Amino acid sequence: DAMVIQNPRYQVTQFGKPVTLSCSQTLNHNVMYWYQQKSSQAPKLLFHYYDKDFNNEADTPDNFQSRRPNTSFCFLDIRSPGLGDAAMYLCATSRGQGDEQFFGPGTRLTVL
Amino acid sequence: GEDVEQSLFLSVREGDSSVINCTYTDSSSTYLYWYKQEPGAGLQLLTYIFSNMDMKQDQRLTVLLNKKDKHLSLRIADTQTGDSAIYFCAESRLYSTLTFGKGTMLLVSP
Repeated sequence: DAMVIQNPRYQVTQFGKPVTLSCSQTLNHNVMYWYQQKSSQAPKLLFHYYDKDFNNEADTPDNFQSRRPNTSFCFLDIRSPGLGDAAMYLCATSRGQGDEQFFGPGTRLTVL
Repeated sequence: GEDVEQSLFLSVREGDSSVINCTYTDSSSTYLYWYKQEPGAGLQLLTYIFSNMDMKQDQRLTVLLNKKDKHLSLRIADTQTGDSAIYFCAESRLYSTLTFGKGTMLLVSP
C-alpha cells in the first residue's frame, strides 16, 4: 500500500559528515520533490525533478544536492551537514507539476 | 511573490465544529489544498478545491473558497481528539509548485 517511502525515518549524522536520504515511489509519478521542514514552520521546497529535469530553488544552499537515477527513486545528499540542517526532510511526488502531491512520512535528521 | 497566511493556533472542544482560515495573495492560483500533519509524520492530503469552485464537501470536511477575497476555509464538523494536528493550507498555479502557509495547530480537548 505504501506509495511514497522514505528511508530511514530517523537519521543521525555528525557535523560535516556527508549523509544521503532516500525516497522511493510506487505511483510512477513524473515529479519528485524534496522539502525541508524545521520545527513549527511550513515545508520549504529545496528542489524537484520533472522526469530527469532538475529544478533547483534559488535559495537552496549548494550543500544540498539531489539525484534521480530512475523514475522510482530520488536521493537527497547533504555534503557537509551543519547544525542548522537538522530538520524533517519530506519527499513528495505528483503526476505533473501543479498536480496533487503525495508525501512520504519524512526523515528526521539530527546533526551532532 | 506568492504568500499564504494562516492563524497559528485553534483550540476547540470535542464535538464542536472547527474552522481553520487561510488567505492567499496569488490571484492566478489554480488549486488550493488542505494538508494535515500529525506529530512526527509527513503531510496527508485532506482535500483540495479548484479555483473555479466555491465549496466542496467531503464527509466531515467542508471547504469554502471566496476567490474575490482570496480566502479559503476548512470546516471540520464534530471535531474529534484524533483531529488534533497541524493543518497546512497550500496553493499552486497550473504547472507550478506548491506554496504552503505556516500551518494552524488544532488542539481538540475532551
